[in-house]
Amino acid sequence: GAVVSQHPSWVICKSGTSVKIECRSLDFQATTMFWYRQFPKQSLMLMATSNEGSKATYEQGVEKDKFLINHASLTLSTLTVTSAHPEDSSFYICSARPGLGLAEEWNIQYFGAGTRLSVL
Amino acid sequence: LAKTTQPISMDSYEGQEVNITCSHNNIATNDYITWYQQFPSQGPRFIIQGYKTKVTNEVASLFIPADRKSSTLSLPRVSLSDTAVYYCLVGAPGDSNYQLIWGAGTKLIIKP
Repeated sequence: GAVVSQHPSWVICKSGTSVKIECRSLDFQATTMFWYRQFPKQSLMLMATSNEGSKATYEQGVEKDKFLINHASLTLSTLTVTSAHPEDSSFYICSARPGLGLAEEWNIQYFGAGTRLSVL
Repeated sequence: LAKTTQPISMDSYEGQEVNITCSHNNIATNDYITWYQQFPSQGPRFIIQGYKTKVTNEVASLFIPADRKSSTLSLPRVSLSDTAVYYCLVGAPGDSNYQLIWGAGTKLIIKP
């Protein structure tokens, strides 16, 4: 159980185009989903927190107009990188948290496989 | 800032037991300790979580002393496939930052 699917796994695009990344929880409902960015040999950096039916909360320094997050259902969140540029090239990872209560097992994050974005 | 400190890297050999220690001197009363594993170009994977004493599952054990200021992830009889980065996180379920602040992790390299 607790499987999170993330697509695509790898995308190459031209500068100025937009790219959409999907994150789905396959066997549980995720009240909260998270989007991270990871540069080579570095740790995960939280970009935004997404709750179903409400606006995402962005971390300081993350442009909300550039990284559009939609959490339309309890099993799907999308990240759209708008007008991508080479500096947006990175590894993007989503996670989902059931969060049905305060019990610790419901607050474990389950991660997607990640999306490697290369902007030419 | 991450609330934990881990060694940057460790080496071991196949078949050995590997122990990775994490320091969390400022752990709060309600905080849990959680470990994740990450392979290159993949999302992290949950390994184990605990609050105090010892927790064991099918892949690892987690030892937490009485003062909870540190914890040790124990991987029994490692294989080459255990080469990965291991992250230790602390936090309380219900906190807005629970498991969201990631430190540098420990890069574990298993040699044949």
